[in-house]
Amino acid sequence: DTGVSQNPRHKITKRGQNVTFRCDPISEHNRLYWYRQTLGQGPEFLTYFQNEAQLEKSRLLSDRFSAERPKGSFSTLEIQRTEQGDSAMYLCASSPRQGNIQYFGAGTRLSVL
Amino acid sequence: QQPVQSPQAVILREGEDAVINCSSSKALYSVHWYRQKHGEAPVFLMILLKGGEQKGHDKISASFNEKKQQSSLYLTASQLSYSGTYFCGTEVGTASKLTFGTGTRLQVTL
Repeated sequence: DTGVSQNPRHKITKRGQNVTFRCDPISEHNRLYWYRQTLGQGPEFLTYFQNEAQLEKSRLLSDRFSAERPKGSFSTLEIQRTEQGDSAMYLCASSPRQGNIQYFGAGTRLSVL
Repeated sequence: QQPVQSPQAVILREGEDAVINCSSSKALYSVHWYRQKHGEAPVFLMILLKGGEQKGHDKISASFNEKKQQSSLYLTASQLSYSGTYFCGTEVGTASKLTFGTGTRLQVTL
């Protein structure tokens, strides 16, 4: 396994711009999760997919946030009209069909100026 | 609601033991433990399913008290590599999201 891959690792953007992050899960993992982590805090759940179906969204996920997993493989997380409060580490995790051990990627660190 | 972890921080000398606790107000299906080093991804340590089992590998073990909805992580004969922030993640149903605690920062010194 090559592990969960996230790109880019760092993103600096200006307030009001749109950003998109990509997550490639471990091969054959059918569940994929997005979390957000701010300094000194544990990861906070945003949304998750089982195959291509988005099954749950957190209230944290305002209408500016959207996530897709069109073919049940990689996923993208888009933030529109970024705000300074969106600055955080965005983590992706995947888990296999059996059990729910979630394996995390290294994350994308977003800085909104 | 976020699980509560204690202590918030602990400093150990190499070779000492530590216990990290995680308490939830909800009935849990499982508890997951992760260690995260600064700037890195959380790394999975172990999962405990309801049933009160205890698990361990090497010098790290954990228990889950289903009646109290509490889990404890035991680190024995700590090594420098154990330094990092430990998070418990709780799950209330199968194959669902994890709700993470606020973390326990562990520092192991010589």
